[in-house]
Amino acid sequence: GAVVSQHPSWVICKSGTSVKIECRSLDFQATTMFWYRQFPKQSLMLMATSNEGSKATYEQGVEKDKFLINHASLTLSTLTVTSAHPEDSSFYICSARDLEGNHYEQYFGPGTRLTVT
Amino acid sequence: GQNIDQPTEMTATEGAIVQINCTYQTSGFNGLFWYQQHAGEAPTFLSYNVLDGLEEKGRFSSFLSRSKGYSYLLLKELQMKDSASYLCAVRGISNSGYALNFGKGTSLLVTP
Repeated sequence: GAVVSQHPSWVICKSGTSVKIECRSLDFQATTMFWYRQFPKQSLMLMATSNEGSKATYEQGVEKDKFLINHASLTLSTLTVTSAHPEDSSFYICSARDLEGNHYEQYFGPGTRLTVT
Repeated sequence: GQNIDQPTEMTATEGAIVQINCTYQTSGFNGLFWYQQHAGEAPTFLSYNVLDGLEEKGRFSSFLSRSKGYSYLLLKELQMKDSASYLCAVRGISNSGYALNFGKGTSLLVTP
């Protein structure tokens, strides 16, 4: 099946610094990738939809200047958490839709656990 | 917007059958999904329903009634490894790029 990778799998950073998380589709092309955030014992919350070659679409309440998304190619999207604060500590998961696959299926990456100290 | 409700926790015995319900309210509907998620891992796809009825896939089945805004996931012959969180997700017509809106998940504990 289709594989989506994320890097890093976990990261610890200091408050005020920026962290970049990469999401890659390894064996398929993805015009659209999604970024989710999951706090402990809660469900996934969609943060933004990332479209290759265009600006991301952010969900209500998500600061686009704080969570920078770049979808530069059909296999790579990046999420940069700028000026991170402890409340940004969370599990960040990306998913991708196969350009040529079933129209409904999304493939999730393994997630990145961010801890801001 | 979308409102998706599912029970918070359920417990069942190994070898038994368990049904996890999900109700939703949405301004538009373009499919309902069930995912399994083990702690600290990404969700894995279980099933997809867009038309009314039952979809069966091995030990897992999923049912949808669009008129009632209702779905359930049925797990048969439960195994210990089925202990996980089960997420109901709805894709709305208004969503861009087929994004999913998830319920809070049902934590299933399978006991010996």
